[in-house]
Amino acid sequence: SQQGEEDPQALSIQEGENATMNCSYKTSINNLQWYRQNSGRGLVHLILIRSNEREKHSGRLRVTLDTSKKSSSLLITASRAADTASYFCAAYPYSGAGSYQLTFGKGTKLSVIP
Amino acid sequence: EPEVTQTPSHQVTQMGQEVILRCVPISNHLYFYWYRQILGQKVEFLVSFYNNEISEKSEIFDDQFSVERPDGSNFTLKIRSTKLEDSAMYFCASSEGQRPPDTQYFGPGTRLTVL
Repeated sequence: SQQGEEDPQALSIQEGENATMNCSYKTSINNLQWYRQNSGRGLVHLILIRSNEREKHSGRLRVTLDTSKKSSSLLITASRAADTASYFCAAYPYSGAGSYQLTFGKGTKLSVIP
Repeated sequence: EPEVTQTPSHQVTQMGQEVILRCVPISNHLYFYWYRQILGQKVEFLVSFYNNEISEKSEIFDDQFSVERPDGSNFTLKIRSTKLEDSAMYFCASSEGQRPPDTQYFGPGTRLTVL
């Protein structure tokens, strides 16, 4: 089944450093989205990248997409303690059954140490 | 900024009882969704809803679940006879586009605890 899998599962960095999280998926996608979840809270949409895009920026966030490798990465530059959260990639399959469903990965738990 | 809201934030119920989780999607959005996240696990799709009918549902969404848009603003998830394994965080989401895929905006969630 269509699936996003992030790595690493956990990442601990110092404030000011950059954090890179990766996501891989199995089937063709229409777009891929990244979400943040603070502990026990809701999902906050960060950025959407379409299958015909290779890179997208939003503030301190940079997302890349490599459809040939079926992978995406999320880079957070100049991290802050407030960036501490779990980060998930989620994707829509390209077409057919399940095309209305976002399929989430297990997430990367990021800890930014002040 | 418009946001999806959910009530209650935490619901505790006895096994076998019915619960209704409520959501108010963003007002100009046309697609509505329910997802759940069992503690420590992935966020899982339950159902999508468009034009007053279910668009898609997952295997999790069995006969004990139902969804309804009772008026122009609310979107509800009913679990008829709760089981212990229904304990999870339930997220409502909505998207604007006339057809997916589009950005889904999530509510803060309802934590359901079944005793």
